[in-house]
Amino acid sequence: AQRVTQPEKLLSVFKGAPVELKCNYSYSGSPELFWYVQYSRQRLQLLLRHISRESIKGFTADLNKGETSFHLKKPFAQEEDSAMYYCALLSNFGNEKLTFGTGTRLTIIP
Amino acid sequence: EADIYQTPRYLVIGTGKKITLECSQTMGHDKMYWYQQDPGMELHLIHYSYGVNSTEKGDLSSESTVSRIRTEHFPLTLESARPSHTSQYLCASKGYRGNTIYFGEGSWLTVV
Repeated sequence: AQRVTQPEKLLSVFKGAPVELKCNYSYSGSPELFWYVQYSRQRLQLLLRHISRESIKGFTADLNKGETSFHLKKPFAQEEDSAMYYCALLSNFGNEKLTFGTGTRLTIIP
Repeated sequence: EADIYQTPRYLVIGTGKKITLECSQTMGHDKMYWYQQDPGMELHLIHYSYGVNSTEKGDLSSESTVSRIRTEHFPLTLESARPSHTSQYLCASKGYRGNTIYFGEGSWLTVV
């Protein structure tokens, strides 16, 4: 069974400091991983996906198959980064369902 | 504009009432999903559909039912609402190409 773990429910970081949101997964196949973000009063939206290997809003995430991790990082936090962040894994078999972690609420302290 | 729409956004209803949460997408996506999320908790998949006339139960058992008569429409129904059904329900869709799943704004259901 696929599973996504985000160990931190809450994370507070000072503006300008580095940010790292942790995500670990378990999956028997070759995973496809995503980070979704939900800003206050907005819908859940895709932030980035591992296969595109891009940086969005200064965030990057590298898939580490050895450690089964997909941590989200940003070198310098900005106030507008305050939001709820969800790590998710897409099953590539059958139903193609997206399994979410419990989420991390990131608060940037001015 | 291509999007995914959910109605109602907020609903307060009495115990025992029948309710239907509507979800429509104008992106021509074949796969659609319903997730349930309690405040501050993780999202749980409760229903999904591969296409017209296809519906499957998700990971979390739910007393709700769904139908997929048209590609763009994936309503969720509770025949007899109970306070334990109070939650946020998120509809999502995914196209044949690409692996991004798009979400609606959610429907907040409160059963009193």
